[in-house]
Amino acid sequence: DAGVTQSPTHLIKTRGQQVTLRCSPKSGHDTVSWYQQALGQGPQFIFQYYEEEERQRGNFPDRFSGHQFPNYSSELNVNALLLGDSALYLCASSLRTGGEAFFGQGTRLTVV
Amino acid sequence: QKEVEQDPGPLSVPEGAIVSLNCTYSNSAFQYFMWYRQYSRKGPELLMYTYSSGNKEDGRFTAQVDKSSKYISLFIRDSQPSDSATYLCAMVPGSWGKLQFGAGTQVVVTP
Repeated sequence: DAGVTQSPTHLIKTRGQQVTLRCSPKSGHDTVSWYQQALGQGPQFIFQYYEEEERQRGNFPDRFSGHQFPNYSSELNVNALLLGDSALYLCASSLRTGGEAFFGQGTRLTVV
Repeated sequence: QKEVEQDPGPLSVPEGAIVSLNCTYSNSAFQYFMWYRQYSRKGPELLMYTYSSGNKEDGRFTAQVDKSSKYISLFIRDSQPSDSATYLCAMVPGSWGKLQFGAGTQVVVTP
């Protein structure tokens, strides 16, 4: 079982650019959640996808958007990047019916 | 006030000691409680997952939940240098959905 996989592992972008991060959930999981973790902080919930629709959203601006594909994989898109968007972006997968959430290794985004 | 409070540490203990970690929370709707371990620059790894009040033991790890006090704890017995990491508590109202995390406690186990 490959677990939750995220790509890329590291990324450097310039202010104002757009970025797309990708996540493949753990085998058998159908729900994907995205979190932002700033240095020294706990992860903050961005949004959650199930059945290809956004089901819950945290306190993040519309510059953050996502998508879930029929195979349950997911993308996180961030437009008009700000310096403050620099963080570790984590993907977690779980079952819609309940149970533990498992995290990927994260994508470290640096905005310069 | 944050929904979940966790002392960021660092907490330094000698090898073999018991590590005691805790979180308090304000939302009485939380029903499921988790502890994650996170090594530097890595994703969080699930350690313990408990429902409602009570104790749960798994090897050297014991998780306790006291819903009446809105207080959860994680104990690590016979700590090892490999236990040095940041420990995050997390909780959720239902069996799935938005996880609310604490800030994480950095633990250093010295040989």
